[in-house]
Amino acid sequence: EPEVTQTPSHQVTQMGQEVILRCVPISNHLYFYWYRQILGQKVEFLVSFYNNEISEKSEIFDDQFSVERPDGSNFTLKIRSTKLEDSAMYFCASSAGDQSYTQYFGPGTRLTVL
Amino acid sequence: GDSVTQMEGPVTLSEEAFLTINCTYTATGYPSLFWYVQYPGEGLQLLLKATKADDKGSNKGFEATYRKETTSFHLEKGSVQVSDSAVYFCALSERGGYNKLIFGAGTRLAVHP
Repeated sequence: EPEVTQTPSHQVTQMGQEVILRCVPISNHLYFYWYRQILGQKVEFLVSFYNNEISEKSEIFDDQFSVERPDGSNFTLKIRSTKLEDSAMYFCASSAGDQSYTQYFGPGTRLTVL
Repeated sequence: GDSVTQMEGPVTLSEEAFLTINCTYTATGYPSLFWYVQYPGEGLQLLLKATKADDKGSNKGFEATYRKETTSFHLEKGSVQVSDSAVYFCALSERGGYNKLIFGAGTRLAVHP
């Protein structure tokens, strides 16, 4: 069964460093998303992406964040200058945009900012 | 804005007990409703969904019915197993489900033998 994959599974970085989180969505899907979950808290929407542009973003997704689909298969989330409060589990999701209305999630990348 | 409210956990049950996890929502439009499950150390998996009023989603013995009149989507299972121990998230998506998911806080379920 097709699945969303994410790399790395765990990323440790120093405050102020740039990180890139990578995702490979399901191959025929058209809509892509990033969510994050701070430890013990709810899952929060960051950004959605369709047709090579951002379709919606949350207040969390400020100028320090960017997304890209560089090669038609990968979908990346970049944080330019990480802060301590960026420590969280980051989930990528994709959707076919069909009548199933279903978003499929990857296993997540745990980002730890020291 | 749109929101989802779930009953607080943790919920602790004995094996074969009946499970209900309450979920209510606030939405300006006509959302699609979902239950996702997160097993320890894993990502989110779709458990079931419903896209219109009175629809019943079901999977692996879990059920939830989309109740527009009470804006609810309560999760139920008749007989839980130890393997059902996980965190359960209720979520909604506006306008056909292509848009962002808005999650509840999650309810941790622990099932003991």
